[in-house]
Amino acid sequence: SQQGEEDPQALSIQEGENATMNCSYKTSINNLQWYRQNSGRGLVHLILIRSNEREKHSGRLRVTLDTSKKSSSLLITASRAADTASYFCATDASADSWGKLQFGAGTQVVVTP
Amino acid sequence: DGGITQSPKYLFRKEGQNVTLSCEQNLNHDAMYWYRQDPGQGLRLIYYSQIVNDFQKGDIAEGYSVSREKKESFPLTVTSAQKNPTAFYLCASSIGWDRATDTQYFGPGTRLTVL
Repeated sequence: SQQGEEDPQALSIQEGENATMNCSYKTSINNLQWYRQNSGRGLVHLILIRSNEREKHSGRLRVTLDTSKKSSSLLITASRAADTASYFCATDASADSWGKLQFGAGTQVVVTP
Repeated sequence: DGGITQSPKYLFRKEGQNVTLSCEQNLNHDAMYWYRQDPGQGLRLIYYSQIVNDFQKGDIAEGYSVSREKKESFPLTVTSAQKNPTAFYLCASSIGWDRATDTQYFGPGTRLTVL
């Protein structure tokens, strides 16, 4: 069963606009990670946020985590055509599941010039 | 050039045949993983290995087998017992010992098609 569920499933925006996607999960976590996947390729790690953190930034990326609501959001500011990809959240859940990330189904983002 | 490689990129198999997918990493990572991805879906964990000569079943291990004889290598065999093997297979690795910051590095994937 999937731990993380992304919303929306798909997002279409123009260059320069911001893109926001959300991830909800079911059980307590150690950390939550966001990955990007270009079509037909492997995943690339973007950012990790620990359960005791509320917000992290990396370049044009901003991730928030609300453990009380079991949700996270990924914001991409000033989007570019190169940001076109699928974005996945992945959770590292409770202590008895070392190394096992649970991935959501992803948000497909299309950025048009 | 450090990284994780998978071969082949595309693989075609006839029904009833076993096939082995290669995964090699030179990142000196202890942990390695195999995932399956179906169209429009997220990744599902097949097997993972935290250390050489040890591996654990993931969520969908039936019809698959692995070995971890070397730190650098984690081959996946898709057996004829796997009922629906056509999918995109991704291998990943991670340092494995610092759980608070452990992130996974992915290979480019192998697309397996059963004819």
